[in-house]
Amino acid sequence: NAGVTQTPKFRVLKTGQSMTLLCAQDMNHEYMYWYRQDPGMGLRLIHYSVGEGTTAKGEVPDGYNVSRLKKQNFLLGLESAAPSQTSVYFCASSYRDKGYEQYFGPGTRLTVT
Amino acid sequence: KQEVTQIPAALSVPEGENLVLNCSFTDSAIYNLQWFRQDPGKGLTSLLLIQSSQREQTSGRLNASLDKSSGRSTLYIAASQPGDSATYLCAVRPVETSGSRLTFGEGTQLTVNP
Repeated sequence: NAGVTQTPKFRVLKTGQSMTLLCAQDMNHEYMYWYRQDPGMGLRLIHYSVGEGTTAKGEVPDGYNVSRLKKQNFLLGLESAAPSQTSVYFCASSYRDKGYEQYFGPGTRLTVT
Repeated sequence: KQEVTQIPAALSVPEGENLVLNCSFTDSAIYNLQWFRQDPGKGLTSLLLIQSSQREQTSGRLNASLDKSSGRSTLYIAASQPGDSATYLCAVRPVETSGSRLTFGEGTQLTVNP
């Protein structure tokens, strides 16, 4: 099992550009999440999904959109990147029968100039 | 709103020492609590998950305890090694598990010196 994988690992964007981050999991997990991690702010939930075709807002959803067309994939989109979106982005997944224990991907480091 | 606090923010110990990391949370209505490890530039690795009905969980040299009524959890690391150097985060999951959303503390950065 590869677990949770994220693509790309690094990216530099100019202000106003768009991009999509891809998260994939091979554990057949129902739940998937996108977090951002910033110094002094900890991990904050952006959006999450409780199943294929469903998405919901987390703590800091503004400026991001998500889609979950397939159970194994969760996409995070930035339509018009801003310097405030410079961060490390983590995807995670979990399964009800394991107490919703969350498993994390390796992260994507995004810089917006 | 649930708040999770980890003290100290940083800890430096000599190799071989037993140590305790602390986590406190403001709302005792939790489903479970999860401890993670994060190495620099890496993702989070789940160490232990302790259900609200449990008092403790053990994995190797790690032992996590939970006192839900007082809003506290501790992570005990026995016989620390330089390879234990990392940031340790705790996160709580509310009783209302829809979405299974976690609230994280900011972590304790541990350095174990050879």
